[in-house]
Amino acid sequence: GDSVTQMEGPVTLSEEAFLTINCTYTATGYPSLFWYVQYPGEGLQLLLKATKADDKGSNKGFEATYRKETTSFHLEKGSVQVSDSAVYFCALTGAYSGAGSYQLTFGKGTKLSVIP
Amino acid sequence: DAGVIQSPRHEVTEMGQEVTLRCKPISGHNSLFWYRQTMMRGLELLIYFNNNVPIDDSGMPEDRFSAKMPNASFSTLKIQPSEPRDSAVYFCASSLGSYSNQPQHFGDGTRLSIL
Repeated sequence: GDSVTQMEGPVTLSEEAFLTINCTYTATGYPSLFWYVQYPGEGLQLLLKATKADDKGSNKGFEATYRKETTSFHLEKGSVQVSDSAVYFCALTGAYSGAGSYQLTFGKGTKLSVIP
Repeated sequence: DAGVIQSPRHEVTEMGQEVTLRCKPISGHNSLFWYRQTMMRGLELLIYFNNNVPIDDSGMPEDRFSAKMPNASFSTLKIQPSEPRDSAVYFCASSLGSYSNQPQHFGDGTRLSIL
């Protein structure tokens, strides 16, 4: 079945440091890939997405490129801020189940803490 | 635009009581998902609906859990009787589920504590 593997956290960085959170996936067909962010006490919010190979999703300074050859979708940001402290989830929509909806398969999440 | 609306935001109740969680999806979305999040198990899909019809409830942990979607703008998740191990944050999400490139939009969740 489909699966998403994220790097283990927590990750602690100083403000203005470079961020990479690794994400690799296993899926049949051509999944769409997503990064979600969850701030403390809130629900998951879509951060960015990419729907086909070599697409780059970007938002709020974060970027991720859909790499089909390495089945990866690593999240990067050049200079993190304290306000980026949150849990980040990599996810994909896999093959159509035939039941009218695509489901999301999530990674376990990576907690990021940014210190001043 | 209004997002996914869940109520209540917090619920504290005693073991054995019935608990009902409510969700209003984004207007126009045809798929609705219920998730549970805990530290131990992470994010788990409990059940999802497409066009108000339950499609897959294999994630529902026990018969104590039930979910309904009587119309396109409302869904409930009920636990009866509740147990302490049901304590978790429950999220509802909606999407244009028929398209693989459409993301799910999450509510802010209901934090449930069973004493």
